[in-house]
Amino acid sequence: GAGVSQTPSNKVTEKGKYVELRCDPISGHTALYWYRQSLGQGPEFLIYFQGTGAADDSGLPNDRFFAVRPEGSVSTLKIQRTERGDSAVYLCASSSTGLETQYFGPGTRLLVL
Amino acid sequence: QQQVKQSPQSLIVQKGGISIINCAYENTAFDYFPWYQQFPGKGPALLIAIRPDVSEKKEGRFTISFNKSAKQFSLHIMDSQPGDSATYFCAASRGGADGLTFGKGTHLIIQP
Repeated sequence: GAGVSQTPSNKVTEKGKYVELRCDPISGHTALYWYRQSLGQGPEFLIYFQGTGAADDSGLPNDRFFAVRPEGSVSTLKIQRTERGDSAVYLCASSSTGLETQYFGPGTRLLVL
Repeated sequence: QQQVKQSPQSLIVQKGGISIINCAYENTAFDYFPWYQQFPGKGPALLIAIRPDVSEKKEGRFTISFNKSAKQFSLHIMDSQPGDSATYFCAASRGGADGLTFGKGTHLIIQP
């Protein structure tokens, strides 16, 4: 079956601009996660959704970052007033209810010039 | 504060040898410990995972050893193959559906 998909695969933007990154989880998965992976580092947890609500947003670095999942499926990570330090790969993962295994998408590579 | 420390940063092993990667954690509330494999340009993929009620888990050529008192766990790859060359991450969470805390990764190269 189809895995987690993320669009776009690459995004280049200028400092100060607004970007949206999209995640399509595996069909039927109720839990959805966003992570950020900087070059040479492990993924860093940002936010976790259970259904439509954000169950844990403790990893969001500041109020420029926001994520939504209005219908409990597709999620969008939104970054306002982008900074060069936001350049990273943004990974999305999903898991089935009650199970711990998280399945990752290929990521969106964000470059802020 | 880095909650999961991983070593070594890089590792070169001959084909057929055993690759060993180590991790240590600080948060005693962690109770789920997965290992992920990542190839360049791809997302991480789950290899094997363990919970602290067992000291070892084996799946094929991959084994996790877990030492709860020392707060350490390790990944052993037996009969390492060139196709195993990738970056490996240990991770930990409080179980259930919590977000994962990852180590910094180990870049593994298997020489033919």
